Amino acid sequence: QKEVEQNSGPLSVPEGAIASLNCTYSDRGSQSFFWYRQYSGKSPELIMFIYSNGDKEDGRFTAQLNKASQYVSLLIRDSQPSDSATYLCAVKEAGNQFYFGTGTSLTVIP
Amino acid sequence: KAGVTQTPRYLIKTRGQQVTLSCSPISGHRSVSWYQQTPGQGLQFLFEYFSETQRNKGNFPGRFSGRQFSNSRSEMNVSTLELGDSALYLCASSLVLNEQFFGPGTRLTVL
Repeated sequence: QKEVEQNSGPLSVPEGAIASLNCTYSDRGSQSFFWYRQYSGKSPELIMFIYSNGDKEDGRFTAQLNKASQYVSLLIRDSQPSDSATYLCAVKEAGNQFYFGTGTSLTVIP
Repeated sequence: KAGVTQTPRYLIKTRGQQVTLSCSPISGHRSVSWYQQTPGQGLQFLFEYFSETQRNKGNFPGRFSGRQFSNSRSEMNVSTLELGDSALYLCASSLVLNEQFFGPGTRLTVL
């Protein structure tokens, strides 16, 4: 059973702080890793993806991947109330199938 | 560029009925994937189509089926509906099977 695990939260951070979201996966053959944001009542929206070990930055967002530890994280710097949402980690494994975590609920407190 | 569209947005059915959901991908996208989202299970993969061929299938019973047309539009069908099929059904399209873009979903309620 291939699994993607996330802290369900809720995670609360004050406005302007760094929010750290974590994800672990079980399939060592996984190739690509994605972070989606889902607002309540809306569909998931792709934030960023990462394929290689290390960090990838896009504006206030940084994805970090460690394939040896089977761990991927998302950092949100200068968190804003508009960042309050559920964040989904997704993994594409070698067979091209996507597996999603159940999401971490983030609340940014003004 | 228009996004992914799904119809209908809401459906109410009774147990035993069947339902067909439709998805139109972003223009030029040939891969369409379907997911079921429930509060307890999260997003679960149903199947993926590319150029009218099913390339991947998740762990769902045979009551769940799909197809893709030559214009990349896709439909999924659920027969003999059960209460547990109540969920948000999401369609995602991609140019290549990597960056997926989701539609607004179809909310299915089975009574």
